[in-house]
Amino acid sequence: SQQGEEDPQALSIQEGENATMNCSYKTSINNLQWYRQNSGRGLVHLILIRSNEREKHSGRLRVTLDTSKKSSSLLITASRAADTASYFCATDGSSNTGKLIFGQGTTLQVKP
Amino acid sequence: GAGVSQSPSNKVTEKGKDVELRCDPISGHTALYWYRQRLGQGLEFLIYFQGNSAPDKSGLPSDRFSAERTGESVSTLTIQRTQQEDSAVYLCASSRGQGREKLFFGSGTQLSVL
Repeated sequence: SQQGEEDPQALSIQEGENATMNCSYKTSINNLQWYRQNSGRGLVHLILIRSNEREKHSGRLRVTLDTSKKSSSLLITASRAADTASYFCATDGSSNTGKLIFGQGTTLQVKP
Repeated sequence: GAGVSQSPSNKVTEKGKDVELRCDPISGHTALYWYRQRLGQGLEFLIYFQGNSAPDKSGLPSDRFSAERTGESVSTLTIQRTQQEDSAVYLCASSRGQGREKLFFGSGTQLSVL
């Protein structure tokens, strides 16, 4: 399976601290994406990093990609209570169909 | 429409009944996905449509599950003879390209099989 696996499964931090989540995958990819989910319903896209990129920033988010280790990390800096959510990585693998496979997610709790 | 629309938002059914879930993707989006998410778990891929290509049905868990899409518009996921283990949130997403672009998700259908 090319499914990504996030760790940790759950993370609890204080407001203002940084949160780091990791994603590992099994096959080669064209891109890797991170999504956020509140309340167990629709996911919201956060950031996409292509296989030829090593790092990408968007506001307080920083994503890194290491294709040699088949891993990615999502860093949220200066966390806020509103960042409390589940975070998922998704990979397209080397499939010609381009389907996206999601990992099991990391549940982040930011305490005020 | 402005976003991906799913209906119904909640569905309660009895074991053994058939259910039909609907997804209206964003206009112009050629790729459409269905995922299943059980409580507290990740997204399980079910099926992927891309334009006029044959759909990727590799994630459908059994022959009780089927999905159709009319052109590049509405999709329907049908579950026949529902079982209690089918209880989950069913999420639909669409994207512009060949699945390698970001997905836009609907709010999902919460299915409860009693």
